[in-house]
This record gives sequence, C-alpha cells and structure tokens, in this order.
Amino acid sequence: ELKVEQNPLFLSMQEGKNYTIYCNYSTTSDRLYWYRQDPGKSLESLFVLLSNGAVKQEGRLMASLDTKARLSTLHITAAVHDLSATYFCAVGPKETSGSRLTFGEGTQLTVNP
Amino acid sequence: DGGITQSPKYLFRKEGQNVTLSCEQNLNHDAMYWYRQDPGQGLRLIYYSQIVNDFQKGDIAEGYSVSREKKESFPLTVTSAQKNPTAFYLCASSRSGTYYGYTFGSGTRLTVV
Repeated sequence: ELKVEQNPLFLSMQEGKNYTIYCNYSTTSDRLYWYRQDPGKSLESLFVLLSNGAVKQEGRLMASLDTKARLSTLHITAAVHDLSATYFCAVGPKETSGSRLTFGEGTQLTVNP
Repeated sequence: DGGITQSPKYLFRKEGQNVTLSCEQNLNHDAMYWYRQDPGQGLRLIYYSQIVNDFQKGDIAEGYSVSREKKESFPLTVTSAQKNPTAFYLCASSRSGTYYGYTFGSGTRLTVV
C-alpha cells in the first residue's frame, strides 16, 4: 500500500523567510504532483514531476524530486501572504498504468506580515 | 473552455436519505475520481473509473455508489449506509495512462441535518 507523508503539517512563517515542505512516499513511483488548496476551495495544480532529479519553479515556489530517496520538496523563497494555503503532494505508483493518485495529509501554510 | 463541473455546491441530507452528487467534464478525459475531504485532512479516494461502464472501489467505498454510463459523467450517490457523510466531496478527471495529474471540480459540501 502506497503511503504519502508530508511534514510539517502546519507551518507558520514570516513574510520574507524561506522554508521547505517535505513529501515522503513509501513505494517506487515515477510521478509526483503538488497542489494548492485555498480555504473552502478546490485543488489547483502547481507542479508535475516525472523523473529523478526533476526541478520545477514558479515564482517563489520550487519543487524537486528524488526518486531514489522517495522524497519531494517544495521550497518557498521569500514568502508573501498570498502563499498562505494548504499544499498537498500526490504520488502515483510506478507498477500500474492507471492514473490513481494517493495524497498526503497536506501542509497548512500561514504567512504572517 | 473545457472543465469539470460539480453540482450542487452545497447539499443538505436528512438522516436515512440517499443523495446524488453530480460531476460532469468536457475535457475528453477517460478517467474520473471521487475523493472525500474532512476538515483539516487530506483526500481519501472513494471510487474511480478509467473507462465507461467500469469503476473500482477506492479506500473508503462503503456507503457510496457510482455509475459511469457516459464518458462525461460520473455521479456519486451517498447512501443511508454511510453513517458520517458530512464532508467536502471533490471530483477529478485525468487522461488515462498518462502523467498529467488531475483536474479538479469545485467541490460539493455535504452536511447531514
């Protein structure tokens, strides 16, 4: 059974600071996704990581994937209030051709002025 | 524009009632999914379907039923057997067998009264 763990689950940070969210998963995978969810809203796709060493950047967010360590990171640079949201990683198992994803519990990020 | 539409946005259910949540997509995606989200928690898979007239149970299928008679539609019925149905329900779709991740609907918030 594929398990996905994120940490921290809650993150409160000041504007301008840097921080990293970690996503560990338990079985071999070749695809990892990051999503953002604003309160009461649906999920919005941020990044798709499909190979070992993949790195994607969008604005103040950068995601990377290490398939050997079964680890993805979401790095936040110089945080701003607009980044306050819950961030989810999701993983698909490598051994199936289906597209079912397993989600982590989410990291609730609050950026304070 | 293509997208995925869930309705209604809010739904109230009385004890012992069955209710059906609608999910329609015009993205020509083969696969569709239903997830449940409880407050402060991650997403748990209820059912998914990779082709018309076929679907599989996810991790928490008890008390729920689905159908997939058309490629565009994947309705979810919450039956009276589901003892704690109050939650946020998210429908998603994806291209089957590829690695593009999910497109999510806007969600239905179900409350038992």
